This record gives sequence, structure tokens and C-alpha cells, in this order.
Amino acid sequence: AQSVTQLGSHVSVSEGALVLLRCNYSSSVPPYLFWYVQYPNQGLQLLLKYTSAATLVKGINGFEAEFKKSETSFHLTKPSAHMSDAAEYFCAVTLNTGFQKLVFGTGTRLLVSP
Amino acid sequence: GAVVSQHPSRVICKSGTSVKIECRSLDFQATTMFWYRQFPKQSLMLMATSNEGSKATYEQGVEKDKFLINHASLTLSTLTVASAHPEDSSFYICSAHRGDYEQYFGPGTRLTVT
Repeated sequence: AQSVTQLGSHVSVSEGALVLLRCNYSSSVPPYLFWYVQYPNQGLQLLLKYTSAATLVKGINGFEAEFKKSETSFHLTKPSAHMSDAAEYFCAVTLNTGFQKLVFGTGTRLLVSP
Repeated sequence: GAVVSQHPSRVICKSGTSVKIECRSLDFQATTMFWYRQFPKQSLMLMATSNEGSKATYEQGVEKDKFLINHASLTLSTLTVASAHPEDSSFYICSAHRGDYEQYFGPGTRLTVT
């Protein structure tokens, strides 16, 4: 079975500071990994995805994530936070052996202060 | 490309009535559609997986007679909440899969049962 753990239900940063949102996964086979962002009362928007190509993945809005197999991690980072980055972020995993259901983490709320 | 719409975006109904939510893939044919439920400040909970022309597969604990899913075409799936009660109030999100490894999410429907 697959699972995703997001450490920290809330992360607070100042505008301009580094953003680091943590995600660790568990999978018996090589996974595909995703980060989604959700703004209030909206659906999910894909930020970036790892699909067995480059381990450092760049996404939209300046976000990137690095797949580290040895650490079973896929942490999301952004060098400089903007106020508009305040949202809920979800990490998700699925198997790469044909399409499977997405398994979501519990989410991390990013708060950005001026 | 890969746009998914949901209608209505929000609905308020009285206890005991039934509510239908539509999920449409606007620019692609969806081999599979998924329905999620999200409680306030929580992650997405998969309710069911639907494939065009066949019965939906429900997750454990989801009442199939309560949450009726119809996937009539490759671009439309509907979720009907039968005899809704206040505890069914929630944010419902659909997603569509077009054959690659990604799910494309709709904007969600806020259901409030009074």
C-alpha cells in the first residue's frame, strides 16, 4: 500500500523567505509523486510532478521539488515566498505501473506574513 | 487543455431533497472520473471511481445508495446525493483521467443541506 506523510499542518513564513513543505512517501514500487495547491473554495491545481525522469522537478509559480529515493522524500521548496502563495498544499502519490488512484497527504497550510 | 468543470459551484438544499452535481471534461475524453469529498480543513477523501458505461467502484464506507454516480459519456459524470441531510454538507470535487498518469480536477461544489 502507498501512503504520504506531510509533516506540519501549518507552516508560517515571512514574505521573501524560503518556503519548505515536507512530504515523505511509502511505496512498494517506484512511485509517481505530485504536489497540488488549493485556494479557498477551489479545486486542486497541479504545481509539479515527478514521473521517473529528472529528480529535481520545476513547477509553476517558482516552486520546485526534489525526489530523494534514499530518504523517500519529495519536499516542496520556493526560494522567496509571496503573499499570493498562501494556500493549502497537498502531496500525493500513485503507482507508475499503469494508472492508479491518487493517495493524498493530509495537507499543509502555508501562511505568509508581510 | 485538460479543463474540468463542475456544476453547480454551490448549492443549498433542504433536508430530504436530492441534489445532482455534474462533472464535465471540456476538452478531452475522460476514461475515468473520480469523486472526492473534502471536509473543512481536511484532505480529499476518495468516494468512488467511475468508468464510462460501467458501475462505479465505491470506497469502503461510502454508501452507494446514498451517493449515486452515473458516468453516461466520456465527458460527463454525475453525482447525486439522495435524500440529503445536514451531515452530507461538504465540498465535493471531481477529477478526470484521460489515459496518462494525471488527474485533472474540477473547481468543486459546495453543498449545504439545511
